[in-house]
Amino acid sequence: KNQVEQSPQSLIILEGKNCTLQCNYTVSPFSNLRWYKQDTGRGPVSLTIMTFSENTKSNGRYTATLDADTKQSSLHITASQLSDSASYICVVSVSGNTPLVFGKGTRLSVIA
Amino acid sequence: ETGVTQTPRHLVMGMTNKKSLKCEQHLGHNAMYWYKQSAKKPLELMFVYNFKEQTENNSVPSRFSPECPNSSHLFLHLHTLQPEDSALYLCASSQDVRGGTYLSSYNEQFFGPGTRLTVL
Repeated sequence: KNQVEQSPQSLIILEGKNCTLQCNYTVSPFSNLRWYKQDTGRGPVSLTIMTFSENTKSNGRYTATLDADTKQSSLHITASQLSDSASYICVVSVSGNTPLVFGKGTRLSVIA
Repeated sequence: ETGVTQTPRHLVMGMTNKKSLKCEQHLGHNAMYWYKQSAKKPLELMFVYNFKEQTENNSVPSRFSPECPNSSHLFLHLHTLQPEDSALYLCASSQDVRGGTYLSSYNEQFFGPGTRLTVL
């Protein structure tokens, strides 16, 4: 069964600190992996996308990594800001005519 | 903004009411989606329209009825809902090619802000 597991479920960090969110997937055949950011009361917005051959992708202070062998991805946030408070959702695409597989998300709270 | 708008943003309805959710995309996309987002659960795909044709009905109860009059507009008609249907309903759009269901999975889906639905 295609699944995406994210950890931790929630996380609280101080402003300015770094953090790393984890995503493990059991999806086959793998097509690509995206990280979405969802602010409270808003829809998800794509941060990064990585295909099988890519193992790192950056978008400002966000850096995603992908290990296709171990089927793991991480999202590293550097020098966190209050505006980083949101849910971060890992989404994996399966090759062929199948729907996206969503994780439950990690709820990040950045406090002053 | 992502170019996908949804109205209303909040809706409270009784179990005997009939209401409709509206989604409009201004991105020139040809595929549109309805998702249900419940607390502590992954997004659940409900319906997919590709080139105005419904290509997926993901075992959704008949009390939810989608309508796609053109490639820019998508509706979700609601009737006799249950309290467990309370959730955030998200609309998304993407640019896909004719011939499949979830095609071109590389193409990003752009989400609207959602409608927070509460069923009493």
